[in-house]
Amino acid sequence: ETGVTQTPRHLVMGMTNKKSLKCEQHLGHNAMYWYKQSAKKPLELMFVYSLEERVENNSVPSRFSPECPNSSHLFLHLHTLQPEDSALYLCASSQDLTADGYTFGSGTRLTVV
Amino acid sequence: GENVEQHPSTLSVQEGDSAVIKCTYSDSASNYFPWYKQELGKGPQLIIDIRSNVGEKKDQRIAVTLNKTAKHFSLHITETQPEDSAVYFCAASKPGYQKVTFGTGTKLQVIP
Repeated sequence: ETGVTQTPRHLVMGMTNKKSLKCEQHLGHNAMYWYKQSAKKPLELMFVYSLEERVENNSVPSRFSPECPNSSHLFLHLHTLQPEDSALYLCASSQDLTADGYTFGSGTRLTVV
Repeated sequence: GENVEQHPSTLSVQEGDSAVIKCTYSDSASNYFPWYKQELGKGPQLIIDIRSNVGEKKDQRIAVTLNKTAKHFSLHITETQPEDSAVYFCAASKPGYQKVTFGTGTKLQVIP
């Protein structure tokens, strides 16, 4: 374990479902991130939170809704997704926004059917 | 914005041989270059990084070199072992709060 825990590890959902991805870190980090990883593409930054405040929303469709209730937890709420949203969703954390190294979780493999 | 290109996309080497993965970046303001290793079923893990004020950094069997003039940096793995098999990502970022830009990844297979 890296210190960043993501649940669930796998998720299959229909296009009309609502589900949530959870990320938890106990590293004392102040910044948390959501990334989307698709085959043969670079990691795509989705959202950035610093001290529970969203600092970046990287042109992500509104069917993805993040929530950061405290500096240790990050959620990604999903609703009315499309099949092309199927991917590995990675959570990461860093000491702060200017810190260099990220600690990633193992990801949630999402399949939209 | 920054653009990071990574080559090759796949690489097969015999156990014990060396492996080299190369990346180029476009923004001369980038000054931090990490490398991540992603094993099957896991998230990327930082394995080594280099800042623009040095040209080379080593950590046991892995090393990274940086050529600021040419804007490229490389990961070198010597005496490869089967457990080195994974996908490796390079990345680049600028000072302060800036998005990290990742390469597309290299799938390394070490053949026993």
